[in-house]
Amino acid sequence: EAQVTQNPRYLITVTGKKLTVTCSQNMNHEYMSWYRQDPGLGLRQIYYSMNVEVTDKGDVPEGYKVSRKEKRNFPLILESPSPNQTSLYFCASRLAGSETQYFGPGTRLLVL
Amino acid sequence: LAKTTQPISMDSYEGQEVNITCSHNNIATNDYITWYQQFPSQGPRFIIQGYKTKVTNEVASLFIPADRKSSTLSLPRVSLSDTAVYYCLVVEGGADGLTFGKGTHLIIQP
Repeated sequence: EAQVTQNPRYLITVTGKKLTVTCSQNMNHEYMSWYRQDPGLGLRQIYYSMNVEVTDKGDVPEGYKVSRKEKRNFPLILESPSPNQTSLYFCASRLAGSETQYFGPGTRLLVL
Repeated sequence: LAKTTQPISMDSYEGQEVNITCSHNNIATNDYITWYQQFPSQGPRFIIQGYKTKVTNEVASLFIPADRKSSTLSLPRVSLSDTAVYYCLVVEGGADGLTFGKGTHLIIQP
């Protein structure tokens, strides 16, 4: 089944403890993105990647890192999480030349 | 980036046709109109996309007038499971990201 998967789905952590949220897609899509969704603010793009080893900042990149070493994986790294990074995170992917994005199921993160 | 305006919420009943209108007065020539659906605690799901006139798929229809300053998503014969938030987006061709507004919260009642 064509899909975008994220792990973990739920995570509670403490301020300053490094964490990684994994994202994987099996559709051979070139583009992958990370978004965060907060009440009243909609979905905001954090980082995106146009292909392997090519990444760029979205609208709200501060406090986040990404890497794209393989086409199918696009992990989101929080080196030193803070409470303002408590949010619902979505990974998405799409084919180059298509405007249709496929979203993962989401990761709900709580930073204490 | 063209701003979109859509109703905050709508109510309807099972079996009815629901039309959600979105206005996008500043749409550019190479922009597409795209609609996504989102259920609570799930990622948005693509529903339909169009450039002009009418587009229909197995889920919905999208009506776009000649001036493209608005669009209407039509959901035929809704069911309770169509209760969700519906987002209208204006997407520049080849754009790297999507900007979601607040969407329309559609509630379907029995």
